[in-house]
Amino acid sequence: GAGVSQSPRYKVTKRGQDVALRCDPISGHVSLYWYRQALGQGPEFLTYFNYEAQQDKSGLPNDRFSAERPEGSISTLTIQRTEQRDSAMYRCASSLLGQPQHFGDGTRLSIL
Amino acid sequence: SQQGEEDPQALSIQEGENATMNCSYKTSINNLQWYRQNSGRGLVHLILIRSNEREKHSGRLRVTLDTSKKSSSLLITASRAADTASYFCATDAFSSHDMRFGAGTRLTVKP
Repeated sequence: GAGVSQSPRYKVTKRGQDVALRCDPISGHVSLYWYRQALGQGPEFLTYFNYEAQQDKSGLPNDRFSAERPEGSISTLTIQRTEQRDSAMYRCASSLLGQPQHFGDGTRLSIL
Repeated sequence: SQQGEEDPQALSIQEGENATMNCSYKTSINNLQWYRQNSGRGLVHLILIRSNEREKHSGRLRVTLDTSKKSSSLLITASRAADTASYFCATDAFSSHDMRFGAGTRLTVKP
């Protein structure tokens, strides 16, 4: 597609539920990144993939967070047993190898 | 964890003036990039400077990099009201391509 597409744009869910956030990168982009951004702060790195391989997951806060990119294109970030502190904007970015990252508009997650 | 720190945290100037924002980082880097973010929107890539470069220009933007001081600056010349946004620097290391962002500088350009 023309840009990085994330869905849903907004997600409101109750504490304890699982959520899945989707990222559709720019066609042909090898690398895909997930970030979390709190209000008034810069994006915080979570994890990234080259093709379908997860290269670095050191930014995932705990084992409730996981990500996959099974076919090297679309990626899903899953948060299990959500907590209120998980509320944030979740951003996805994609790039060609070693090139600038292009960001999507994000998914705003609110945990009640 | 975040790597870069932008300075100042907020900057307010009149249209036509120049705006300078600084970024400091902690560890050795491969590239440093500057991004702009309008309120609540996605990040837009502005410019990338590699560790072996010292200065780069793009339109009204000028970026410098001093690896000995682990710092970079972004200069926006002849600012416009449309430049109002938050500006972030982001670094990536030789060993990985994930980027670490600072908290940003919130620039307000008054018409």
